[in-house]
Amino acid sequence: GESVGLHLPTLSVQEGDNSIINCAYSNSASDYFIWYKQESGKGPQFIIDIRSNMDKRQGQRVTVLLNKTVKHLSLQIAATQPGDSAVYFCAENIAPPSGSARQLTFGSGTQLTVLP
Amino acid sequence: DAGITQSPRYKITETGRQVTLMCHQTWSHSYMFWYRQDLGHGLRLIYYSAAADITDKGEVPDGYVVSRSKTENFPLTLESATRSQTSVYFCASSGSHPASGQPQHFGDGTRLSIL
Repeated sequence: GESVGLHLPTLSVQEGDNSIINCAYSNSASDYFIWYKQESGKGPQFIIDIRSNMDKRQGQRVTVLLNKTVKHLSLQIAATQPGDSAVYFCAENIAPPSGSARQLTFGSGTQLTVLP
Repeated sequence: DAGITQSPRYKITETGRQVTLMCHQTWSHSYMFWYRQDLGHGLRLIYYSAAADITDKGEVPDGYVVSRSKTENFPLTLESATRSQTSVYFCASSGSHPASGQPQHFGDGTRLSIL
């Protein structure tokens, strides 16, 4: 799973299998979540987002699940391909006190490796 | 092609020097952001801008200066570089604040080493 820490969690999956990447968020006031993919030497790339009034959202080959009870977010990638190898991280957006600006807080990421 | 570009891609400098990292976007996005990425940490926000001539501090602004005289440019300056500022710096832009549903688009980063 993923949380802010000193090491980068890793996940290795066989090509064609499904991948599940987890993210534990800290603030129960977070109301918007984003998953990003970052390939080596590149900037983060938006994958999918979800608002706190939803439990599940699907995209092309990806699904994000949100469990607000345990403050847990997951990204599921169907039929994982070699091109999916990258670091994946979640970001949460906290509804701030009135007058304060919203900011995204990013997790440190999970390294996904797709094995042939 | 439209996009967001950062320059330089790599930079080595010495402590005490001033260095400016450039960021240019062609989408006319209102919001622009500067992050740093360090091993063991997620992206941390340095400064952001909601529009030209409007900037605000993020989580780790100390030692950095930004300006936004034009919508498309958002340079980041380290006025007197320190070794702790060795990092990979990412610029991002979005049409509105991230929580409104528009994702941030990131550049490919500047890898900055301070000796």
